[in-house]
Amino acid sequence: DTGVSQDPRHKITKRGQNVTFRCDPISEHNRLYWYRQTLGQGPEFLTYFQNEAQLEKSRLLSDRFSAERPKGSFSTLEIQRTEQGDSAMYLCASSLERGQISEKLFFGSGTQLSVL
Amino acid sequence: QKEVEQDPGPLSVPEGAIVSLNCTYSNSAFQYFMWYRQYSRKGPELLMYTYSSGNKEDGRFTAQVDKSSKYISLFIRDSQPSDSATYLCATPRSGYSTLTFGKGTMLLVSP
Repeated sequence: DTGVSQDPRHKITKRGQNVTFRCDPISEHNRLYWYRQTLGQGPEFLTYFQNEAQLEKSRLLSDRFSAERPKGSFSTLEIQRTEQGDSAMYLCASSLERGQISEKLFFGSGTQLSVL
Repeated sequence: QKEVEQDPGPLSVPEGAIVSLNCTYSNSAFQYFMWYRQYSRKGPELLMYTYSSGNKEDGRFTAQVDKSSKYISLFIRDSQPSDSATYLCATPRSGYSTLTFGKGTMLLVSP
């Protein structure tokens, strides 16, 4: 399978705990994105990387959230001191872009986070 | 005003029907428009991609852009139960390099 891979698929945690998600993009893709999706809503942009550089962060990304892409390949998204409002599907996407506009994103199946 | 607005549905149709899904957008500078399909508990997948105005056809799917009214549409001919999914319209976010999505319209095609 050469698509975008996310791990774990599901995560249940207690409020206040830290969680970390991993994303493995399509191998030749230079851009990697994190989106969050809640029930009945479209995906909302969180942050994106071009290679290892984090180029944009949404206002949705509070200081409890941190994302890394250390070698320009896989990425991790960590949420510290989780809150019930963090419960959502966390989607990773990747793309191969040479210009400025991001157009064709390929998504993984997401990590469903439930904070109890 | 949100950059992309979409009726959440659900939209229920019988198999074989022609389906029309629609979005409106706010920024007249937008030039790229995409339709993504999302099955339950899966990530979105790119279905159609259009640039500027006009129609684009791919099999049973036709994407249409009307820039004068800032309206984008997706038509599905001969709809199948396997088309049951949520359809998301998307466009590049104003001043940014990433996509903004509508809320999605849930489509249910009954056999």
